[in-house]
Amino acid sequence: DTEVTQTPKHLVMGMTNKKSLKCEQHMGHRAMYWYKQKAKKPPELMFVYSYEKLSINESVPSRFSPECPNSSLLNLHLHALQPEDSALYLCASSQEGIRAGGYEQYFGPGTRLTVT
Amino acid sequence: AQSVTQPDIHITVSEGASLELRCNYSYGATPYLFWYVQSPGQGLQLLLKYFSGDTLVQGIKGFEAEFKRSQSSFNLRKPSVHWSDAAEYFCAVGAGTASKLTFGTGTRLQVTL
Repeated sequence: DTEVTQTPKHLVMGMTNKKSLKCEQHMGHRAMYWYKQKAKKPPELMFVYSYEKLSINESVPSRFSPECPNSSLLNLHLHALQPEDSALYLCASSQEGIRAGGYEQYFGPGTRLTVT
Repeated sequence: AQSVTQPDIHITVSEGASLELRCNYSYGATPYLFWYVQSPGQGLQLLLKYFSGDTLVQGIKGFEAEFKRSQSSFNLRKPSVHWSDAAEYFCAVGAGTASKLTFGTGTRLQVTL
């Protein structure tokens, strides 16, 4: 089973709200990723967790706060977002993290976020 | 740093016709190469990957791709396209480790009946 699940599917939030996105995988993967994708654009990497430790932060604003409670779960906490943060947020996982190479990433269906 | 170019923004083919989507990469060593497909509003699905070995790789849904080092290319092919293949296709390269992928800008495939 190569499934990555994400909840919620859709989220509408105001600029003063606090919300969280959730991602889960049960493939035993040890690396998990958050991507942001704007319409008609490729995904942009935001964060990488490898063995439950944050290993890559692509200079993402602090209003996005990732968390990896265990090897199967990845959260993205959102606070004081801007309308330009509206996008599809994708989670992915891969077998190994940045200490190894040659492992493909499996993506979840995404959360469509709208900031009003 | 690695980069990926997908020269074709939009391609239209008739159902049953053959398909080739182009991908060129830039990287000093042997890269890890991937093709992903994305239907509207959905996540990305891995079609196939190249890490090493046989330069012609087979993927899901009848797709194949050929790695050509001399041309820095990894083109995706399908002998007979189905209407359900209409989607956005992304080529991606992973360098050093596959953990950090660089995506091309994507090619939107439209299939006419």
